[in-house]
Amino acid sequence: AQTVTQSQPEMSVQEAETVTLSCTYDTSENNYYLFWYKQPPSRQMILVIRQEAYKQQNATENRFSVNFQKAAKSFSLKISDSQLGDTAMYFCAFMKPSGSGYALNFGKGTSLLVTP
Amino acid sequence: ETGVTQSPTHLIKTRGQQVTLRCSSQSGHNTVSWYQQALGQGPQFIFQYYREEENGRGNFPPRFSGLQFPNYSSELNVNALELDDSALYLCASSPRTGSSGELFFGEGSRLTVL
Repeated sequence: AQTVTQSQPEMSVQEAETVTLSCTYDTSENNYYLFWYKQPPSRQMILVIRQEAYKQQNATENRFSVNFQKAAKSFSLKISDSQLGDTAMYFCAFMKPSGSGYALNFGKGTSLLVTP
Repeated sequence: ETGVTQSPTHLIKTRGQQVTLRCSSQSGHNTVSWYQQALGQGPQFIFQYYREEENGRGNFPPRFSGLQFPNYSSELNVNALELDDSALYLCASSPRTGSSGELFFGEGSRLTVL
């Protein structure tokens, strides 16, 4: 079974600053996907960024980028120019594509607070 | 484009009772997954439905069951409720095309078992 570990339960950053959230995972698979999902307070979870394991290039989405280290099984999320609206729980997730469904394995999450 | 909607948003049950949670998938999505998110934890995969058939299941007992209807909406049923079943239940839909893996979540149904 795949496990996802987020070692930072809570983090805080000032507006306009940069913050990095950590994630490690354990798998014996070679082909998989990694995700960062954002869950704002009392709002639905949305995808922030996705990385295919076979791609060496790190994914970027505007202010969000990842540092994917496949050998180290590490997948950190960097948020640049933090905004108040980035305050949320952030979940790292792993998925192994298979014919029997696409189940996400989530970490326990990191609560990010962006302060003025 | 209508997103994923879930009902009810909140409900309270007592131990031993049964509950049904409902989910309408996003337009054009034919796959629905259910997740349980306990307080302070990440979501855990319960099961997934595709074309009205269960298509993958996590480590949950048989008293957790589901249905998917021809319009791709879905129900999650939990029998013999236990206190530990108190959680936010998330429904997520996705198109069954390729394996991009992105899920589109509803806001969840918060179940409290007393």
